[in-house]
Amino acid sequence: DAEITQSPRHKITETGRQVTLACHQTWNHNNMFWYRQDLGHGLRLIHYSYGVQDTNKGEVSDGYSVSRSNTEDLPLTLESAASSQTSVYFCASSSGSYNEQFFGPGTRLTVL
Amino acid sequence: AQSVAQPEDQVNVAEGNPLTVKCTYSVSGNPYLFWYVQYPNRGLQFLLKYITGDNLVKGSYGFEAEFNKSQTSFHLKKPSALVSDSALYFCAVRDKVRDDKIIFGKGTRLHILP
Repeated sequence: DAEITQSPRHKITETGRQVTLACHQTWNHNNMFWYRQDLGHGLRLIHYSYGVQDTNKGEVSDGYSVSRSNTEDLPLTLESAASSQTSVYFCASSSGSYNEQFFGPGTRLTVL
Repeated sequence: AQSVAQPEDQVNVAEGNPLTVKCTYSVSGNPYLFWYVQYPNRGLQFLLKYITGDNLVKGSYGFEAEFNKSQTSFHLKKPSALVSDSALYFCAVRDKVRDDKIIFGKGTRLHILP
């Protein structure tokens, strides 16, 4: 069965370190998204991609970067982790703009 | 700019009673509308969507939602609540004309009381 996976599921890191969160989908979807979920804010879009070599900034992109070298993967990199980036991160994919998104299980990131 | 509002942070309903989770939206063109559910320590799961056509949309787990263009609302409903419906519910909207990204509401926590 097709799925979307995230790794690691939990991560503790220190301020200033570079961190990369992996997202891998086997749906063969062109569209992929990264969100963060925080109390009181719901889901906020960090970056998204509509295909290989395409990346776009979302509403909270500062301090984050992504790259899309193939259809299946959209890794999210925190260049220099900050305590404000402590959050739960969700990756999602969809086959088109009017289609539902499929979400991964999430990565809980703690920056100390 | 498009936006979506879920006016209630929490909704409490007795088991067996009907439930409604409210959502209103603002877009410049016609909307795509979605409802998702999130159970503890899980990712979001798709429930239903409105793209065009019948204003009453039926989805998973007995949920349905009514699109009301004049009131710019897309409320989620279920005739008889189950304790297992307790979860966090998100409404989301996308503007068809602007072909913009999906915007999620802040979520409504639904508690079904036994």
